[in-house]
Amino acid sequence: NAGVTQTPKFQVLKTGQSMTLQCAQDMNHEYMSWYRQDPGMGLRLIHYSVGAGITDQGEVPNGYNVSRSTTEDFPLRLLSAAPSQTSVYFCASSRGYNSPLHFGNGTRLTVT
Amino acid sequence: QQQVKQSPQSLIVQKGGISIINCAYENTAFDYFPWYQQFPGKGPALLIAIRPDVSEKKEGRFTISFNKSAKQFSLHIMDSQPGDSATYFCAASMSSNTGKLIFGQGTTLQVKP
Repeated sequence: NAGVTQTPKFQVLKTGQSMTLQCAQDMNHEYMSWYRQDPGMGLRLIHYSVGAGITDQGEVPNGYNVSRSTTEDFPLRLLSAAPSQTSVYFCASSRGYNSPLHFGNGTRLTVT
Repeated sequence: QQQVKQSPQSLIVQKGGISIINCAYENTAFDYFPWYQQFPGKGPALLIAIRPDVSEKKEGRFTISFNKSAKQFSLHIMDSQPGDSATYFCAASMSSNTGKLIFGQGTTLQVKP
C-alpha cells in the first residue's frame, strides 16, 4: 500500500503565482485534511473533508482552497502565493473519529 | 488562539531518563487525545491515544496521564533512548466534529547517549 502520497516534495513559487498541492490516498479513508507545519507553531489545520463533496475550514484557511470530488484525492490550491505561505504542508487521512491519522511525507513550499 | 498548548518547546534528556511533555486544553468538548511522533523528513505517526474516561494509559515505555478536572494531559517516556529523539505533538478532537484534529505546538526531544 502506498498510503498517503503527496506531490511535489519541493516547490518554489514567486509571490502571486498559483499552484496545486496534490494528495492521494489508497486506503479508502473518508476523512482527509491538510496541515501546515511552521517552527514553534506546530501543525495547524488548513482545511478538512469528511467525505467526497464535503469540505470545511480549519484554523488557518485564508489563501487556500480545497475540493473533494473523489474519496481518493484532496488537492490544496494556493490562489495567489504569499511569503507567509512558506511552510511544510502535510496531507493526512483517517477512517474517522478515534482512528489514527495517516500522514504523507510533506511538501516543502518556499514563496519568494 | 491556540486551543491546545504544549510545553516545553524543546527537551534534552540523558539516555535512561524520563521524558515528560505536557499539554493543556480549554475546550471541554474535546474527548479524544492522541500523541504523535515525527522524525525528520517524515510525516507524524500516531504513538498513543487516550479518552477522558481513563486517567492513564500505558503502551510499553510510553504512558499518557490525563487530568480531566485540570484539563491537562501529559506524555511520559520511561527509559528514554536515543532512538526516541524526535518531535512529539499532542492533539485533541471531539466526536461532534470528527474531521477536525487540533495539534499542540510540538516538543523537540533529544536523548543524549
